[in-house]
Amino acid sequence: GENVEQHPSTLSVQEGDSAVIKCTYSDSASNYFPWYKQELGKRPQLIIDIRSNVGEKKDQRIAVTLNKTAKHFSLHITETQPEDSAVYFCAPLDYNQGGKLIFGQGTELSVKP
Amino acid sequence: DSGVTQTPKHLITATGQRVTLRCSPRSGDLSVYWYQQSLDQGLQFLIQYYNGEERAKGNILERFSAQQFPDLHSELNLSSLELGDSALYFCASSDPKAGGPSDTQYFGPGTRLTVL
Repeated sequence: GENVEQHPSTLSVQEGDSAVIKCTYSDSASNYFPWYKQELGKRPQLIIDIRSNVGEKKDQRIAVTLNKTAKHFSLHITETQPEDSAVYFCAPLDYNQGGKLIFGQGTELSVKP
Repeated sequence: DSGVTQTPKHLITATGQRVTLRCSPRSGDLSVYWYQQSLDQGLQFLIQYYNGEERAKGNILERFSAQQFPDLHSELNLSSLELGDSALYFCASSDPKAGGPSDTQYFGPGTRLTVL
């Protein structure tokens, strides 16, 4: 099955700085790569996703880049704001017998004003 | 708001008891997934149903079972509860009947289960 590693586990930045979170996966058949944001006690919320026919996707201050050869994808947040503080999860889709998300361990992002 | 609803929000019960968690997917979504989030195990997939049929199973204990009904809502049944079953249980839905990306999963607000 799919193995997912996410780094770093914690990340602290100053407001206005950029943040980058990296996710590596093992299954070369994976072709859907979402990122979720989760605030304390709340549901995981999809913030951006990418499919393997593209290398980069951007949505305002958030971007995701994908390197299928190296089997990793990264979340980039620019001009960070205090409301970006949350736990972020990568969750590549495992298509074996259906389509379950395999979540990384999570990155706790803290944006200091 | 994702359009996925879950009830109840909170559930407090005792060891050995049985509970039922309910999920209504987004309108038109055919797949329902159940995930468990605990401090030590993170977010883990439990089981998937597609249009009433079980499609995939993950790390789901034998004491747990689920089903999806003709109206596409789903229930997760947890029995012989243990302290370690205390967690947040999320359901997610995908596979819109009307078409569009079938792989994007939207999560409900979760049910927080506390076993005392």
